[in-house]
Amino acid sequence: QQPVQSPQAVILREGEDAVINCSSSKALYSVHWYRQKHGEAPVFLMILLKGGEQKGHDKISASFNEKKQQSSLYLTASQLSYSGTYFCGTGPLGGSQGNLIFGKGTKLSVKP
Amino acid sequence: NAGVTQTPKFQVLKTGQSMTLQCAQDMNHNSMYWYRQDPGMGLRLIYYSASEGTTDKGEVPNGYNVSRLNKREFSLRLESAAPSQTSVYFCASSGQHIDVPRRGQPQHFGDGTRLSIL
Repeated sequence: QQPVQSPQAVILREGEDAVINCSSSKALYSVHWYRQKHGEAPVFLMILLKGGEQKGHDKISASFNEKKQQSSLYLTASQLSYSGTYFCGTGPLGGSQGNLIFGKGTKLSVKP
Repeated sequence: NAGVTQTPKFQVLKTGQSMTLQCAQDMNHNSMYWYRQDPGMGLRLIYYSASEGTTDKGEVPNGYNVSRLNKREFSLRLESAAPSQTSVYFCASSGQHIDVPRRGQPQHFGDGTRLSIL
């Protein structure tokens, strides 16, 4: 039941936009997004909770469509610092567990 | 504020040896987690502890044991290391808000332990 992320990798030029998708086969309560730079720990970006909200963080925003069990991460006017691997982590709708199931990641490379 | 601290950062073991990975957090979080990360696989949950005194299996628990020593510390033990356990291990913690279930709380990760088993 690992969520599926697409694309697996993307290469951008500075200033270009990108969309990373995360799709689950299970009903979700939450979707988390993390970024991991090479050799470092994953860093929390944002959480989207059941309710279909859209959140923003500087020029990075995300949406959550609970009916489709999908979330998308939008990176606009990309900067070199956006390079890294992006992971979505999904939290199940049922139960009280706080455990996340992570996707395999999307590697984003931003070139000058 | 150190956040989540893992020790050691690197370790090389021989097959059959045992070792314990240590993790401590100073954010007064209730929940703690151990993940392993292998190339192309993302993060996979080994064990988690919802609160002090409780531990439960995650997706890939075989070959591991854990101890929640107190609210701050959560250790992972490999009793008899195997080459298949070569990986990067991350510890994480998350808090709990009275109005937001645990699955709505961000996880904070340590810097990882790079473990090689020969």
